[in-house]
Amino acid sequence: AQSVTQLDSHVSVSEGTPVLLRCNYSSSYSPSLFWYVQHPNKGLQLLLKYTSAATLVKGINGFEAEFKKSETSFHLTKPSAHMSDAAEYFCVVSGPRGTGSARQLTFGSGTQLTVLP
Amino acid sequence: EADIYQTPRYLVIGTGKKITLECSQTMGHDKMYWYQQDPGMELHLIHYSYGVNSTEKGDLSSESTVSRIRTEHFPLTLESARPSHTSQYLCASSRGVLAGGTQETQYFGPGTRLLVL
Repeated sequence: AQSVTQLDSHVSVSEGTPVLLRCNYSSSYSPSLFWYVQHPNKGLQLLLKYTSAATLVKGINGFEAEFKKSETSFHLTKPSAHMSDAAEYFCVVSGPRGTGSARQLTFGSGTQLTVLP
Repeated sequence: EADIYQTPRYLVIGTGKKITLECSQTMGHDKMYWYQQDPGMELHLIHYSYGVNSTEKGDLSSESTVSRIRTEHFPLTLESARPSHTSQYLCASSRGVLAGGTQETQYFGPGTRLLVL
């Protein structure tokens, strides 16, 4: 069984300040973890993924996330927010690796990021 | 147990042929998705639908098209297959994020492995 909890449904930051979106997971296996972003009226876009290599994962648009097994966390960060970062962000945990295909992806409930001018 | 079906499971076809990949779900889910996945790689969303007569393109550009005339059916069509279309295509459905922020789980079909010669 697997689950993912996004600790904040809404986060507001000022442009140019750091972003922190929190995610905790629970999994019976060594998980693969993803962060997706969804801009208004757009589909999901993959930001970054963790699949057991380096614990600090760098993604697109300056985002990165750190896998911390001891804390079962996979928080998303960015040093300096931009107006274009305003969107909804989903933390996702997938089934066991090595299956060849994802049988089930479990999405968090999402965090709405607002960037203030 | 999730009831989502894809046919065919495997398809080998020549360049230039028109193909339709079928996807059906019996769970009454409003949201349906098509993903493309190359071996060992993450899923890329190519199409999604929020309900009947709703279709949107995903984050990965695709020459395929989709339709959603019935809730349970979400076929994907390639008008003229090319070797670059060789991949695995996964269909998924979900109820969507429920009121109160309950996490969303996407249920995936078994996939269609397409080989274009």
